[in-house]
Amino acid sequence: EPEVTQTPSHQVTQMGQEVILRCVPISNHLYFYWYRQILGQKVEFLVSFYNNEISEKSEIFDDQFSVERPDGSNFTLKIRSTKLEDSAMYFCASSPDRENYGYTFGSGTRLTVV
Amino acid sequence: DAKTTQPPSMDCAEGRAANLPCNHSTISGNEYVYWYRQIHSQGPQYIIHGLKNNETNEMVSLIITEDRKSSTLILPHATLRDTAVYYCIVITPNFGNEKLTFGTGTRLTIIP
Repeated sequence: EPEVTQTPSHQVTQMGQEVILRCVPISNHLYFYWYRQILGQKVEFLVSFYNNEISEKSEIFDDQFSVERPDGSNFTLKIRSTKLEDSAMYFCASSPDRENYGYTFGSGTRLTVV
Repeated sequence: DAKTTQPPSMDCAEGRAANLPCNHSTISGNEYVYWYRQIHSQGPQYIIHGLKNNETNEMVSLIITEDRKSSTLILPHATLRDTAVYYCIVITPNFGNEKLTFGTGTRLTIIP
């Protein structure tokens, strides 16, 4: 069964450093998403991406965040200057460009900011 | 999207049917009911969705009441691997561009 692949599985970074979280969505999917889950809290929407541009973003997705599809397969989330409160599981997901099809999520990247 | 209400936790004996309720009393006519689950901090996993008819796949059944104000996800023969948090989410379909709003879900524990 096709999978969404995320790397790395765990990243530790110092406060103020930039991190890039990587995702390979399912190849024929056209919508891409990032969600995050702070330990013990709900899964929260960050951003959706379609046709090489952001289609929707949440209030969490401020100027320190950016997304990119640098080539035909990867989808990345960059956090420019990490803060302690950015520590969370970050999940990438993808879906095809049609109705009533569930998302496929990756296994996540655990980001720890120290 | 309509708000949903789920019990915070449930237990079920292994091999028995697990019935997970969800209340969505403010659901509107074009909104679908989706179910996802999250096993121990892994990424959420899509399970099933429905509009007004009951739906079944190889894993579960989804029963939606006639007034669509509530639904029940049924795992017919629960196994230990079904221990997870189950989320009921109401969505207006938009050709893949649907933002999922996760609540706190129901933590289902399957007991040996």
